[in-house]
Amino acid sequence: GAVVSQHPSRVICKSGTSVKIECRSLDFQATTMFWYRQFPKQSLMLMATSNEGSKATYEQGVEKDKFLINHASLTLSTLTVTSAHPEDSSFYICSARAGTGGNEQYFGPGTRLTVT
Amino acid sequence: LAKTTQPISMDSYEGQEVNITCSHNNIATNDYITWYQQFPSQGPRFIIQGYKTKVTNEVASLFIPADRKSSTLSLPRVSLSDTAVYYCLVGVNTNAGKSTFGDGTTLTVKP
Repeated sequence: GAVVSQHPSRVICKSGTSVKIECRSLDFQATTMFWYRQFPKQSLMLMATSNEGSKATYEQGVEKDKFLINHASLTLSTLTVTSAHPEDSSFYICSARAGTGGNEQYFGPGTRLTVT
Repeated sequence: LAKTTQPISMDSYEGQEVNITCSHNNIATNDYITWYQQFPSQGPRFIIQGYKTKVTNEVASLFIPADRKSSTLSLPRVSLSDTAVYYCLVGVNTNAGKSTFGDGTTLTVKP
């Protein structure tokens, strides 16, 4: 099956610093990737939709200047949390759709971000 | 986007069949129904997808009535390792379509 990887799997940073999370589709090309955030005991919340070669579309309430998304190629999307604060601590998950169409999303393993 | 409603939690015992129902009253004509499984601190894993009637694969069955306003995920003979959160998503079957996760159902399988 299609595989999506994320790096790093876990990161701890200090307040005020920026953190970049990578999402890669390993064996397929993904024209669309999604970024989610999940707090403990809660569901996944869609943050933004990332399309290769164009600007990301952010969901209402998500600050685009704080969560920078770049979809530079058909296999890589990055999420940069700028000037991170403790309230940004969360589980960040990306997903990708294969270019052949379909509603099936392939999810990455997630990245645990802790801001101290 | 179609809103989904699922039971918050369900308990079962090993070897039993488990049926989880999801309500999606405002599903659109082009929407597909997809179910995912998530373990703690992991990304969701695709289980099954369908549009109407019944779909079956090696791990589950999906039953969708004619009005498509609900769907039922059926897990045959569950084991302890099936303890997880199960989400049903409703969305269009295109690359541009996005789906919103509902609250999910926490299934606990007991020995």
